[in-house]
Amino acid sequence: SQKIEQNSEALNIQEGKTATLTCNYTNYSPAYLQWYRQDPGRGPVFLLLIRENEKEKRKERLKVTFDTTLKQSLFHITASQPADSATYLCALKTDSWGKLQFGAGTQVVVTP
Amino acid sequence: GAVVSQHPSRVICKSGTSVKIECRSLDFQATTMFWYRQFPKQSLMLMATSNEGSKATYEQGVEKDKFLINHASLTLSTLTVTSAHPEDSSFYICSARDRAGSADSPLHFGNGTRLTVT
Repeated sequence: SQKIEQNSEALNIQEGKTATLTCNYTNYSPAYLQWYRQDPGRGPVFLLLIRENEKEKRKERLKVTFDTTLKQSLFHITASQPADSATYLCALKTDSWGKLQFGAGTQVVVTP
Repeated sequence: GAVVSQHPSRVICKSGTSVKIECRSLDFQATTMFWYRQFPKQSLMLMATSNEGSKATYEQGVEKDKFLINHASLTLSTLTVTSAHPEDSSFYICSARDRAGSADSPLHFGNGTRLTVT
């Protein structure tokens, strides 16, 4: 299986700034990569999917990039708000059935 | 949007007893559901893949006789932790994929079950 690395240290950011999170993987490049948001004591919620042939994907204030050469995906939250405070997980497709392997997540704390 | 309901949200049981956790897709049908467990500050660890009408597929290291999975219908999967021990205490989360979508469709997660075994 893949080794998926996300920054374990919480990212503290001021409201209005851009938060950038990193997801690195070690082995083969997956057909796609997904990003989820998880609030404490809750299940993850899907945010974005980016395929290996896509460089960038956007959804409202969210932007995801995928660099198969670097084996890395970056997740950006622009104009961050306190409501964006949560843990963000990246997940890689691992088989043809769509099974996902998750990173440990990075906690984002947006302060007013 | 697609909703997955998971019950109970919290359960405390005594060592040696069994606990059943239900996972229901409320507004879609799911031929496949996935069961995860999550320890604090750690990633979701896939335990098993539940397929409607057939036996579940367990990940390496997961005891199938201890974690019984039944996927009785296109909207319901259950996980039973048998003869629970304190080390089974964890956060269990189910997820489902809409059968109308593809294998690339996103997963819809329940809100998890916090199991504490005393």
